[in-house]
Amino acid sequence: AQSVAQPEDQVNVAEGNPLTVKCTYSVSGNPYLFWYVQYPNRGLQFLLKYITGDNLVKGSYGFEAEFNKSQTSFHLKKPSALVSDSALYFCAVRDPSNTGGFKTIFGAGTRLFVKA
Amino acid sequence: AAGVIQSPRHLIKEKRETATLKCYPIPRHDTVYWYQQGPGQDPQFLISFYEKMQSDKGSIPDRFSAQQFSDYHSELNMSSLELGDSALYFCASSSRLAGGTSSYNEQFFGPGTRLTVL
Repeated sequence: AQSVAQPEDQVNVAEGNPLTVKCTYSVSGNPYLFWYVQYPNRGLQFLLKYITGDNLVKGSYGFEAEFNKSQTSFHLKKPSALVSDSALYFCAVRDPSNTGGFKTIFGAGTRLFVKA
Repeated sequence: AAGVIQSPRHLIKEKRETATLKCYPIPRHDTVYWYQQGPGQDPQFLISFYEKMQSDKGSIPDRFSAQQFSDYHSELNMSSLELGDSALYFCASSSRLAGGTSSYNEQFFGPGTRLTVL
């Protein structure tokens, strides 16, 4: 079965510093990997995805993620954090369903705090 | 661009009552997924439908049922509500048609329905 792990419950970073939110995955076959962000009392917002191609994926709000097949990782990064980036971040993998579709399997989430 | 619509956005029910959550997928999307996110939890897959047929089933309680209608909207019916059913319920839609952003069954999430059971 597909799964993702986010080893950090919380990440603290000062505004202007680079941030990294870690994610490792376990999949059979080619991984379809995603990052979502969730602000308090809000829905899930898509940030970026890796399907194939370049290992460095650029997404919304200046975020990027690096797919590393040998380390089975898909860490989320941003060169310079903003206070407004403070939110809950989910790494996710697409899991093939019984009938050819996909369901999304989410990691436990990492809460990012950016301090001014 | 049209997004996934969920209604109601907020719902308050008493224990043992029933609730119906509705999801309207993006036009021309043929697949609907339901997820449940408890307080402080990650979203958990409940059930999905493709072309009005159930396509996959996750951790959905027997007290819950769902269906997809001819216009592709879906309803999640919840009976004998329990306090533990209080959660944010997300719907997502996707299309299996090839081409564009839909070629990988990319899911688009709705804003969620927050259910509170008192």
